[in-house]
Amino acid sequence: QKEVEQDPGPLSVPEGAIVSLNCTYSNSAFQYFMWYRQYSRKGPELLMYTYSSGNKEDGRFTAQVDKSSKYISLFIRDSQPSDSATYLCAMSGYNNNDMRFGAGTRLTVKP
Amino acid sequence: GAVVSQHPSWVICKSGTSVKIECRSLDFQATTMFWYRQFPKQSLMLMATSNEGSKATYEQGVEKDKFLINHASLTLSTLTVTSAHPEDSSFYICSAGRDGETQYFGPGTRLLVL
Repeated sequence: QKEVEQDPGPLSVPEGAIVSLNCTYSNSAFQYFMWYRQYSRKGPELLMYTYSSGNKEDGRFTAQVDKSSKYISLFIRDSQPSDSATYLCAMSGYNNNDMRFGAGTRLTVKP
Repeated sequence: GAVVSQHPSWVICKSGTSVKIECRSLDFQATTMFWYRQFPKQSLMLMATSNEGSKATYEQGVEKDKFLINHASLTLSTLTVTSAHPEDSSFYICSAGRDGETQYFGPGTRLLVL
C-alpha cells in the first residue's frame, strides 16, 4: 500500500461546477498537508497549506483535513477553465524532508 | 515570498555531455533543497535531498556519481547530470524548504539529450 493514495483521474467537469479532489494516507505521523497545482510543463505551485485537522478557505479553494480518517480534500467552487491542471496532494511530518506526494489528479474544466 | 528559480528552463545537449542545472531560493534561506524528476503524465519522483554544506542523500536507485548535487550556500543548489544519455531526458524540478515549512518548487528544467 502506498503511503499516499490519490486517484489520477482524469476528471472532467463543466465550468462553474464544484470540484472535489481527495487523498488518503496511511502514516499517522503526517502533520502538514498541502495541495499543489501543476500546469503542463511547469513546476508545482503551492495552493493550500494546512496543519493538523480542520478546514482552511482561500477564495474559491477550501482544504479539509480529517486526521481521524486519514483523509484530505480540496474543493474548488465555481471552477474555471483556468483551473485545468494536475493537482497534487502532499503531506509531511514535522520535518519537510519527509514529504510524500500523491500521484496527482488531472482536472479539465470545460467552458 | 518563497520564490524559487531554476536555470536553465530548458536545455538540449548531445549524448555524453554534462549538464548543470541551478536552483536558487530568491527571497529566503533554504536549509534543505530537493531534486525531483518527472516523466510525462507522471508524478514527482524524489531523486535526492541536500542540506547546505553537507553531502546529498540520494533515493534508492539514483546514481550519485551520475547526478552530482552541490549545495554550496543556503540559496543555491546545483544538479549536474554527467555523461547524459537519451534516457536522462526528463523534466527536472527543484524545491526549497525551511525547517517546519513546506517545500516551494522551482519552475522546472526540461532536458533533452540527443
